[in-house]
Amino acid sequence: GAGVSQSPSNKVTEKGKDVELRCDPISGHTALYWYRQSLGQGLEFLIYFQGNSAPDKSGLPSDRFSAERTGGSVSTLTIQRTQQEDSAVYLCASSLGDREGETQYFGPGTRLLVL
Amino acid sequence: GDSVTQMEGPVTLSEEAFLTINCTYTATGYPSLFWYVQYPGEGLQLLLKATKADDKGSNKGFEATYRKETTSFHLEKGSVQVSDSAVYFCALSDLNYRGFKTIFGAGTRLFVKA
Repeated sequence: GAGVSQSPSNKVTEKGKDVELRCDPISGHTALYWYRQSLGQGLEFLIYFQGNSAPDKSGLPSDRFSAERTGGSVSTLTIQRTQQEDSAVYLCASSLGDREGETQYFGPGTRLLVL
Repeated sequence: GDSVTQMEGPVTLSEEAFLTINCTYTATGYPSLFWYVQYPGEGLQLLLKATKADDKGSNKGFEATYRKETTSFHLEKGSVQVSDSAVYFCALSDLNYRGFKTIFGAGTRLFVKA
């Protein structure tokens, strides 16, 4: 089966514009995470969805960031009024969400550049 | 809350040197522990894992032992190669009211020189 997919792979936008990033998790995975990776190293947690529970939004850096997950599958991360410091690689990951020792599977990421 | 702390990088070694990347954790429950790796230009992928105390995870010559008494999961390799140059992430997965949630450390970049 297919892995986690993300689109677009690259996005260049102007400061102040809104962007939407999409994640298609592995079918059947109830847990979905968004992370931000800057400078090719640090992994910053943004938001976590688990089944029908309210999402864990504790990592969202500001109210310009929001995410939703429709039908327990596809997720969209929206950044409003983008700033240059939002430039980073945005990673999505999914996992089964219901068992000990489960592996997280990562997508290839969306590289966002805000000019 | 749960957290993972790993040594800051970058770590620079010569080929065939011994590698240790330290990782410690705090958790309210009894977590599973992981090391993920990100090779240059590639996505993050699982390297190894351990689900209970004293378990040893191993893969590609890397090992890590789940030490509950010291809350640690240090990554080791006896003889590194240039191809091991990557960013290594320690992580834990713990049960909360939503399900199993994974938390990552900040990552440690490893450079191996020929």
